[in-house]
Amino acid sequence: ILNVEQSPQSLHVQEGDSTNFTCSFPSSNFYALHWYRWETAKSPEALFVMTLNGDEKKKGRISATLNTKEGYSYLYIKGSQPEDSATYLCAPYTGNQFYFGTGTSLTVIP
Amino acid sequence: DAGVIQSPRHEVTEMGQEVTLRCKPISGHDYLFWYRQTMMRGLELLIYFNNNVPIDDSGMPEDRFSAKMPNASFSTLKIQPSEPRDSAVYFCASSLAGWLSNTGELFFGEGSRLTVL
Repeated sequence: ILNVEQSPQSLHVQEGDSTNFTCSFPSSNFYALHWYRWETAKSPEALFVMTLNGDEKKKGRISATLNTKEGYSYLYIKGSQPEDSATYLCAPYTGNQFYFGTGTSLTVIP
Repeated sequence: DAGVIQSPRHEVTEMGQEVTLRCKPISGHDYLFWYRQTMMRGLELLIYFNNNVPIDDSGMPEDRFSAKMPNASFSTLKIQPSEPRDSAVYFCASSLAGWLSNTGELFFGEGSRLTVL
């Protein structure tokens, strides 16, 4: 079992603010790090998959970085919009199993 | 592709009754996962299959829970007898992992919301 920690647990920001949150995981037995976006009443959807130390991925206003040596990943949202409100889950992948964090719940206030 | 299909979407049953949840993975995916979402623990892995074979069922809460995957296109999660504490949303997800893909991202179904009275 992998201990995956996400912080903060929840976050309220004003529309237009930029924000970031953290995923921490043990750096051993690491294959890839996934980020999922989970809107209320829907199912989680993959945002990013990162495998290499120093990886940076970007999709629109959302970007993520990965540090496999120290075991953390950051997710950044630039200029938050109400439609960004969701729970963001990170999940290290060991090659045959995912270990989900409990997520960061983001609420963007119009 | 239609994505991962789960049924039923909602199930309300009484304590002691048998509950069967169903999942059809994306065609060609070789991994299938059953997760349970609770307020306390978030997404909790119950069991996963690779090529229809159960690989790790250590997350199954107790003997009342069982899962099968008789073929590549169908899996069931059964609870017998059900208890109120089993109330949760149960997600099925499938993945194409290993040498066939360097991403292995999960594709989730829409979930089955179970309420045990």
